[in-house]
Amino acid sequence: GDSVTQMEGPVTLSEEAFLTINCTYTATGYPSLFWYVQYPGEGLQLLLKATKADDKGSNKGFEATYRKETTSFHLEKGSVQVSDSAVYFCALLGSGNTPLVFGKGTRLSVIA
Amino acid sequence: NAGVTQTPKFQVLKTGQSMTLQCAQDMNHEYMSWYRQDPGMGLRLIHYSVGAGITDQGEVPNGYNVSRSTTEDFPLRLLSAAPSQTSVYFCASRPGGGETQYFGPGTRLLVL
Repeated sequence: GDSVTQMEGPVTLSEEAFLTINCTYTATGYPSLFWYVQYPGEGLQLLLKATKADDKGSNKGFEATYRKETTSFHLEKGSVQVSDSAVYFCALLGSGNTPLVFGKGTRLSVIA
Repeated sequence: NAGVTQTPKFQVLKTGQSMTLQCAQDMNHEYMSWYRQDPGMGLRLIHYSVGAGITDQGEVPNGYNVSRSTTEDFPLRLLSAAPSQTSVYFCASRPGGGETQYFGPGTRLLVL
């Protein structure tokens, strides 16, 4: 079945550092790909998405490009802030009325 | 729009007790789902529904029941609580054929 693998955390960075969180997927057909973010004590909220190969999703300075050839959707940000400290989930939505499939999450801590 | 709402926010149960976690959405979404979140395990799908009167099992359905009598509500029932069900539970919804999934704020459950 469909699956998502993302890098294990936790990740600790200094403010203004460059961030990459790796995500790869296995799916049949042409899934849509997502990054969700969970701030402390809250539910998940959509950060960005891409629905077809070579699409780039972006939001709040974060970017991810849908790479079909490497089945990847890595999350990047050029300069992280303390307020970016959260858990980040990569997710996949296959064709049809199927459930969203999540990776295990990566905890990011940004220190001043 | 209130979005996706969940009650209660926090609950303590004794082993063997039963209870219902409530979930409601006011966006007329067809698709609703329940996840549990445990440390290091990410989000695991318990049950989901593609419309009123239709439910299906996810990855970890044992010990839980659901029903979907209306579009708005999707309660999750714990039949006989066990310590292994201590977790944070999230309800989510999305439009039929849509991609963005909206999450509730979560219910934190402790089973003693």
